Amino acid sequence: QVQLQESGPGLVKPSQTLSLTCTVSGGSISSGGYYWNWIRQHPGRGLEWIGYIYYSGSPYYNPSLKSRLTISLDTSKNQFSLKLSSVTAADTAVYYCARNMGGSSDSFDYWGQGTLVTVSS
Amino acid sequence: DIQMTQSPSSLSASVGDRVTITCRASQSISRYLNWYQQKPGKAPKLLIYAASSLQSGVPSRFSGSGSGTDFTLTISSLQPEDFASYYCQQSYSMPYTFGQGTKLEIK
Repeated sequence: QVQLQESGPGLVKPSQTLSLTCTVSGGSISSGGYYWNWIRQHPGRGLEWIGYIYYSGSPYYNPSLKSRLTISLDTSKNQFSLKLSSVTAADTAVYYCARNMGGSSDSFDYWGQGTLVTVSS
Repeated sequence: DIQMTQSPSSLSASVGDRVTITCRASQSISRYLNWYQQKPGKAPKLLIYAASSLQSGVPSRFSGSGSGTDFTLTISSLQPEDFASYYCQQSYSMPYTFGQGTKLEIK
Protein backbone atom coordinates (compact mmCIF):
# COMPACT_ATOMS: atom_id res chain seq x y z
CA GLN A 1 0.00 0.00 0.00
CA VAL A 2 1.54 3.27 -1.14
CA GLN A 3 1.52 6.07 1.41
CA LEU A 4 2.49 9.71 1.02
CA GLN A 5 3.31 12.13 3.83
CA GLU A 6 3.92 15.86 3.54
CA SER A 7 6.30 17.68 5.85
CA GLY A 8 7.59 21.21 6.23
CA PRO A 9 7.06 24.51 8.03
CA GLY A 10 3.48 25.48 8.78
CA LEU A 11 4.27 29.19 8.81
CA VAL A 12 6.18 31.14 6.16
CA LYS A 13 6.80 34.88 6.05
CA PRO A 14 5.72 36.93 3.04
CA SER A 15 8.33 37.17 0.26
CA GLN A 16 10.12 34.05 1.54
CA THR A 17 10.23 30.57 -0.01
CA LEU A 18 7.77 27.86 0.94
CA SER A 19 9.46 24.45 1.06
CA LEU A 20 7.66 21.13 1.47
CA THR A 21 8.71 17.51 1.15
CA CYS A 22 6.62 14.47 0.37
CA THR A 23 7.93 11.12 1.61
CA VAL A 24 6.67 8.07 -0.24
CA SER A 25 6.49 4.65 1.41
CA GLY A 26 5.26 1.29 0.18
CA GLY A 27 6.78 1.73 -3.26
CA SER A 28 9.74 3.23 -5.06
CA ILE A 29 9.37 6.75 -6.36
CA SER A 30 11.64 5.87 -9.27
CA SER A 31 9.62 2.88 -10.46
CA GLY A 32 8.30 3.45 -13.92
CA GLY A 33 5.20 5.24 -15.03
CA TYR A 34 4.22 7.46 -12.12
CA TYR A 35 3.93 11.21 -11.79
CA TRP A 36 4.39 12.82 -8.39
CA ASN A 37 2.21 15.85 -7.86
CA TRP A 38 1.57 18.82 -5.64
CA ILE A 39 -1.98 20.10 -5.28
CA ARG A 40 -3.26 22.83 -2.99
CA GLN A 41 -6.56 23.89 -1.51
CA HIS A 42 -7.14 27.42 -0.31
CA PRO A 43 -9.18 27.59 2.92
CA GLY A 44 -12.79 26.69 2.23
CA ARG A 45 -12.22 26.55 -1.50
CA GLY A 46 -11.54 24.18 -4.36
CA LEU A 47 -8.46 22.33 -5.52
CA GLU A 48 -5.61 23.74 -7.61
CA TRP A 49 -3.03 21.55 -9.32
CA ILE A 50 0.46 22.99 -8.80
CA GLY A 51 2.71 20.69 -10.80
CA TYR A 52 4.35 17.29 -11.01
CA ILE A 53 7.66 15.59 -11.42
CA TYR A 54 7.91 12.42 -13.46
CA TYR A 55 9.75 9.40 -12.07
CA SER A 56 12.56 10.17 -14.52
CA GLY A 57 12.98 13.63 -12.99
CA SER A 58 11.20 15.77 -15.60
CA PRO A 59 8.93 18.43 -14.05
CA TYR A 60 5.82 20.13 -15.39
CA TYR A 61 4.41 23.21 -13.74
CA ASN A 62 1.10 24.98 -13.76
CA PRO A 63 1.75 28.09 -15.90
CA SER A 64 0.06 30.22 -13.26
CA LEU A 65 2.84 29.37 -10.79
CA LYS A 66 5.71 28.43 -13.07
CA SER A 67 7.86 31.52 -12.48
CA ARG A 68 8.00 30.82 -8.72
CA LEU A 69 8.01 27.03 -8.65
CA THR A 70 10.56 24.25 -8.41
CA ILE A 71 9.67 20.58 -7.96
CA SER A 72 12.48 18.08 -7.51
CA LEU A 73 13.04 14.40 -6.84
CA ASP A 74 15.36 12.69 -4.32
CA THR A 75 15.31 9.00 -5.19
CA SER A 76 17.82 8.12 -2.46
CA LYS A 77 15.29 9.24 0.17
CA ASN A 78 12.17 8.27 -1.82
CA GLN A 79 11.01 11.87 -1.60
CA PHE A 80 9.99 14.72 -3.82
CA SER A 81 9.90 18.37 -2.90
CA LEU A 82 8.19 21.67 -3.64
CA LYS A 83 9.71 25.11 -3.46
CA LEU A 84 7.51 28.14 -4.07
CA SER A 85 9.28 31.48 -3.93
CA SER A 86 8.11 35.02 -3.16
CA VAL A 87 5.03 33.85 -1.30
CA THR A 88 2.11 36.08 -0.36
CA ALA A 89 -1.01 35.56 1.72
CA ALA A 90 -2.63 34.16 -1.43
CA ASP A 91 -0.38 31.12 -1.09
CA THR A 92 -1.92 30.19 2.25
CA ALA A 93 -3.46 26.78 1.67
CA VAL A 94 -3.46 23.11 2.52
CA TYR A 95 -0.81 21.49 0.34
CA TYR A 96 -1.23 17.89 -0.75
CA CYS A 97 1.14 15.55 -2.50
CA ALA A 98 -0.43 12.91 -4.74
CA ARG A 99 0.42 10.25 -7.30
CA ASN A 100 -0.97 9.71 -10.77
CA MET A 101 -0.12 7.33 -13.56
CA GLY A 102 -1.03 9.11 -16.75
CA GLY A 103 -2.55 7.41 -19.75
CA SER A 104 -6.23 6.63 -20.26
CA SER A 105 -6.88 6.20 -16.53
CA ASP A 106 -4.94 9.30 -15.48
CA SER A 107 -6.15 10.18 -11.98
CA PHE A 108 -4.80 10.94 -8.51
CA ASP A 109 -5.09 7.58 -6.78
CA TYR A 110 -2.96 8.16 -3.68
CA TRP A 111 -2.80 11.34 -1.62
CA GLY A 112 -0.97 12.56 1.43
CA GLN A 113 -3.00 13.80 4.38
CA GLY A 114 -2.20 17.41 3.55
CA THR A 115 -0.33 20.11 5.44
CA LEU A 116 -1.55 23.63 6.14
CA VAL A 117 0.87 26.38 5.24
CA THR A 118 0.08 29.87 6.42
CA VAL A 119 1.85 32.88 4.94
CA SER A 120 2.01 35.60 7.55
CA SER A 121 4.51 37.92 9.17
CA ASP B 1 -6.96 26.08 -19.37
CA ILE B 2 -10.04 23.87 -19.45
CA GLN B 3 -12.71 25.17 -17.11
CA MET B 4 -14.74 22.63 -15.15
CA THR B 5 -18.15 23.71 -13.87
CA GLN B 6 -20.11 21.62 -11.39
CA SER B 7 -23.75 21.88 -10.52
CA PRO B 8 -25.24 22.26 -8.10
CA SER B 9 -22.73 23.91 -5.76
CA SER B 10 -24.61 22.48 -2.81
CA LEU B 11 -27.29 19.89 -2.39
CA SER B 12 -29.46 18.72 0.49
CA ALA B 13 -30.64 15.14 0.44
CA SER B 14 -31.79 12.34 2.73
CA VAL B 15 -30.39 8.90 3.44
CA GLY B 16 -31.67 6.56 0.76
CA ASP B 17 -32.08 9.27 -1.89
CA ARG B 18 -30.68 8.99 -5.41
CA VAL B 19 -28.42 11.93 -6.13
CA THR B 20 -26.84 13.21 -9.33
CA ILE B 21 -24.06 15.77 -9.63
CA THR B 22 -23.16 17.28 -12.99
CA CYS B 23 -19.81 18.43 -14.33
CA ARG B 24 -19.36 20.35 -17.57
CA ALA B 25 -16.06 21.00 -19.33
CA SER B 26 -15.37 24.15 -21.36
CA GLN B 27 -14.21 21.95 -24.26
CA SER B 28 -14.35 18.31 -25.14
CA ILE B 29 -12.25 16.14 -22.84
CA SER B 30 -13.29 12.74 -24.26
CA ARG B 31 -13.59 10.53 -21.17
CA TYR B 32 -10.66 12.01 -19.22
CA LEU B 33 -12.81 12.85 -16.22
CA ASN B 34 -12.36 11.80 -12.61
CA TRP B 35 -14.50 12.20 -9.49
CA TYR B 36 -13.27 12.63 -5.92
CA GLN B 37 -14.95 12.68 -2.52
CA GLN B 38 -13.58 14.88 0.23
CA LYS B 39 -14.59 14.91 3.87
CA PRO B 40 -13.72 17.79 6.20
CA GLY B 41 -10.07 17.83 7.18
CA LYS B 42 -9.23 14.90 4.88
CA ALA B 43 -7.56 14.50 1.52
CA PRO B 44 -9.73 13.86 -1.53
CA LYS B 45 -10.43 10.23 -2.31
CA LEU B 46 -10.66 8.90 -5.86
CA LEU B 47 -14.10 7.45 -6.61
CA ILE B 48 -14.40 7.25 -10.40
CA TYR B 49 -11.74 7.51 -13.11
CA ALA B 50 -12.03 7.69 -16.89
CA ALA B 51 -15.61 8.92 -16.53
CA SER B 52 -17.16 5.63 -15.50
CA SER B 53 -14.59 3.24 -13.99
CA LEU B 54 -15.07 2.53 -10.30
CA GLN B 55 -11.90 2.78 -8.23
CA SER B 56 -11.05 -0.35 -6.31
CA GLY B 57 -12.79 -0.47 -2.93
CA VAL B 58 -15.42 2.15 -3.77
CA PRO B 59 -19.02 1.01 -3.17
CA SER B 60 -21.06 0.16 -6.24
CA ARG B 61 -23.72 2.75 -5.35
CA PHE B 62 -21.35 5.27 -6.94
CA SER B 63 -21.39 5.47 -10.72
CA GLY B 64 -20.21 7.88 -13.38
CA SER B 65 -21.21 8.55 -16.95
CA GLY B 66 -20.65 10.94 -19.81
CA SER B 67 -18.16 11.90 -22.48
CA GLY B 68 -17.15 14.99 -24.38
CA THR B 69 -18.21 17.93 -22.25
CA ASP B 70 -20.98 16.62 -19.98
CA PHE B 71 -20.56 14.18 -17.12
CA THR B 72 -22.52 12.96 -14.14
CA LEU B 73 -21.77 11.31 -10.82
CA THR B 74 -24.68 9.35 -9.38
CA ILE B 75 -25.09 7.94 -5.91
CA SER B 76 -27.89 5.41 -6.12
CA SER B 77 -28.88 5.29 -2.45
CA LEU B 78 -27.26 7.80 -0.12
CA GLN B 79 -25.61 6.46 3.00
CA PRO B 80 -24.69 8.55 6.05
CA GLU B 81 -20.99 8.36 5.18
CA ASP B 82 -21.64 9.89 1.72
CA PHE B 83 -22.29 13.38 3.05
CA ALA B 84 -19.17 15.17 1.85
CA SER B 85 -17.90 17.40 -0.93
CA TYR B 86 -17.42 16.05 -4.44
CA TYR B 87 -15.05 17.31 -7.11
CA CYS B 88 -14.63 16.52 -10.77
CA GLN B 89 -11.21 16.81 -12.44
CA GLN B 90 -10.10 16.68 -16.05
CA SER B 91 -6.93 14.88 -17.11
CA TYR B 92 -7.29 15.57 -20.83
CA SER B 93 -4.82 18.43 -21.02
CA MET B 94 -2.41 20.32 -18.85
CA PRO B 95 -2.80 22.02 -16.50
CA TYR B 96 -5.09 19.59 -14.72
CA THR B 97 -8.15 21.45 -13.47
CA PHE B 98 -10.88 20.72 -10.96
CA GLY B 99 -14.49 21.73 -10.64
CA GLN B 100 -15.39 24.09 -7.82
CA GLY B 101 -17.01 21.30 -5.84
CA THR B 102 -20.46 20.19 -4.74
CA LYS B 103 -21.24 20.02 -1.05
CA LEU B 104 -23.72 17.27 -0.23
CA GLU B 105 -25.53 17.92 3.02
CA ILE B 106 -28.09 16.05 5.08
CA LYS B 107 -31.66 17.29 4.68
